[in-house]
Amino acid sequence: DVVMTQSPLSLPVTLGQPASISCRSSQSLVHSDGNTYLNWIQQRPGQSPRPLIYKVSNRDSGVPDRFSGSGSGTDFTLKISRVEAEDVGVYYCMQGTHWPPTFGQGTRLEIK
Amino acid sequence: EVQLVESGGGLVQPGESLRLSCAASGFTFSGSWMSWVRQAPGKGLEWVGNIKEDGSEKYYVDSVRGRFTISRDNTKNSLYLQMNSLRVEDTAVYYCARGGTYYIVFWGQGALVTVSS
Repeated sequence: DVVMTQSPLSLPVTLGQPASISCRSSQSLVHSDGNTYLNWIQQRPGQSPRPLIYKVSNRDSGVPDRFSGSGSGTDFTLKISRVEAEDVGVYYCMQGTHWPPTFGQGTRLEIK
Repeated sequence: EVQLVESGGGLVQPGESLRLSCAASGFTFSGSWMSWVRQAPGKGLEWVGNIKEDGSEKYYVDSVRGRFTISRDNTKNSLYLQMNSLRVEDTAVYYCARGGTYYIVFWGQGALVTVSS
């Protein structure tokens, strides 16, 4: 299985400051169809997961534009330009290129 | 409004069976791949399996293959997860999700399954 490694695992951030989460895969996530199926998921405390970003850099419906995704191959990044209180939670990267889909360990974002 | 509502969770003993259901609304269920993803208490996310729009293809992760069966009834807009020979390590919140391998579009609220003697 493809191993997804996130860093940091804990991310204390001051309100209004930027935040960045890294995700690395053990294999290239470029699919034979040319797409890269790397997604980002947010899970707020006590809630079910919510999709944020799909195919590296596309924001899901209703996701604020302060969230952005980038990367290629095996290295990917989720950035939040200015952290707000509602961003507290755990962020997961997920690859859907190779079976089975796998998730990173999660990065817990908290307000400093 | 898209909704996925799981039901059927509960406490069972090791070796027993349980069937989860997921009622879908707000989108064309028969046109969507559907998946099950689980999350052990305090842990990360783990894919369980998924099923094609018409039910003709089903895929499972190794840890549940042969024990779990995913099915769907497009006439009832419902997804199911039959879990047999349950183990302690199957204890988790099970999420019904709209979408397939490539990405999940929407997640349900989850159903807790506890396997304990």
